[in-house]
Amino acid sequence: IAGITQAPTSQILAAGRRMTLRCTQDMRHNAMYWYRQDLGLGLRLIHYSNTAGTTGKGEVPDGYSVSRANTDDFPLTLASAVPSQTSVYFCASRGQGYNSPLHFGNGTRLTVT
Amino acid sequence: AQTVTQSQPEMSVQEAETVTLSCTYDTSESDYYLFWYKQPPSRQMILVIRQEAYKQQNATENRFSVNFQKAAKSFSLKISDSQLGDAAMYFCAYRTWNYGGSQGNLIFGKGTKLSVKP
Repeated sequence: IAGITQAPTSQILAAGRRMTLRCTQDMRHNAMYWYRQDLGLGLRLIHYSNTAGTTGKGEVPDGYSVSRANTDDFPLTLASAVPSQTSVYFCASRGQGYNSPLHFGNGTRLTVT
Repeated sequence: AQTVTQSQPEMSVQEAETVTLSCTYDTSESDYYLFWYKQPPSRQMILVIRQEAYKQQNATENRFSVNFQKAAKSFSLKISDSQLGDAAMYFCAYRTWNYGGSQGNLIFGKGTKLSVKP
């Protein structure tokens, strides 16, 4: 089934540790996004990539980095996790076309202790 | 910058009844897209309905319809014949027509939690 796969599903991480959240899509979408979801704040954009080889900063990029080596993969890295990065993280992609919606993965619940 | 406001943190509806979720947005753009997403307890984000700003006609998808008032910058979601499976968090989202920067990024409201009573 075509879609977006995120891993891990959930993770408990000690503060100061490095963590990479994985995101893979098989729809050949050019645009990909990372959001974090926090209670009462909705979803906020962390980083995005319009096409392979390019990335950009979203609304809340501090403490996060991304790479886009190919079309399918868009990993999100926390270099040194802090408790404020406790959140649910969603990866999304968008197909071609002006009215194409975002397709979301099932999210990663990350707890930083 | 565009903003999206959902003024109802929580709503409740009786099964088989109709409920309307509110959404307003602020923008200086004339062309854009609006979306409603549903997030059940499974955490999955599911597209409910979309509306292009240049279209006068309100979008409908089965029991879901919108009331799009462009001048008022309002985009409410009406759920008819509510079912237990409609219980979820609902997010209103705005997408700019702008193809510079983060192309197609969605700006989300904070969400409305809908409960359905049997």
